[in-house]
Amino acid sequence: DTEVTQTPKHLVMGMTNKKSLKCEQHMGHRAMYWYKQKAKKPPELMFVYSYEKLSINESVPSRFSPECPNSSLLNLHLHALQPEDSALYLCASSPKGVADTGAQYFGPGTRLLVL
Amino acid sequence: DQQVKQNSPSLSVQEGRISILNCDYTNSMFDYFLWYKKYPAEGPTFLISISSIKDKNEDGRFTVFLNKSAKHLSLHIVPSQPGDSAVYFCAASAGFGNEKLTFGTGTRLTIIP
Repeated sequence: DTEVTQTPKHLVMGMTNKKSLKCEQHMGHRAMYWYKQKAKKPPELMFVYSYEKLSINESVPSRFSPECPNSSLLNLHLHALQPEDSALYLCASSPKGVADTGAQYFGPGTRLLVL
Repeated sequence: DQQVKQNSPSLSVQEGRISILNCDYTNSMFDYFLWYKKYPAEGPTFLISISSIKDKNEDGRFTVFLNKSAKHLSLHIVPSQPGDSAVYFCAASAGFGNEKLTFGTGTRLTIIP
């Protein structure tokens, strides 16, 4: 299994809703990432989990809450989002240690629309 | 403060010819560079990378060149194929395996049959 999967592919939510994005990889990678990408912009790093511990939080608002239940799964819990949070949310993973290739491997993304 | 810049938002190249995509960076701490390709409705796909100890890395039709003194890198695709039409992002990190990648703004490459 050489891919990162993300569910759902599309999500529409109201500003009072609570929803979660899910990311899974079975490549044995020990770092997992959440990125946000707006139209015609580069991906922006949000969070990094390294060996299941949060290692980077790029000053993301608390309405985004990441969770890494185990080394294969990464969730992003969403609550009270704003319309400007509408974007493509990308998950990525990378090997660590001797297996490290220096690259991150991305999933297809979840396109989120906040109404 | 855009530390990684791709100054050409778009590029059109005839099929079979060479495509050259450029990227400039300002942060002298960056020493590992990557190129990603992105189709619509898909995540970025890793293409090729280069460490600052090299000035060239080749993988099939893709070659990346690094000019450290000019803080410039380029991706050459030869020969260009219709399936190469996509948005290309360069990315940089301060150190191999550094978890923090900084992406450029992207160049949309269109290959004309």
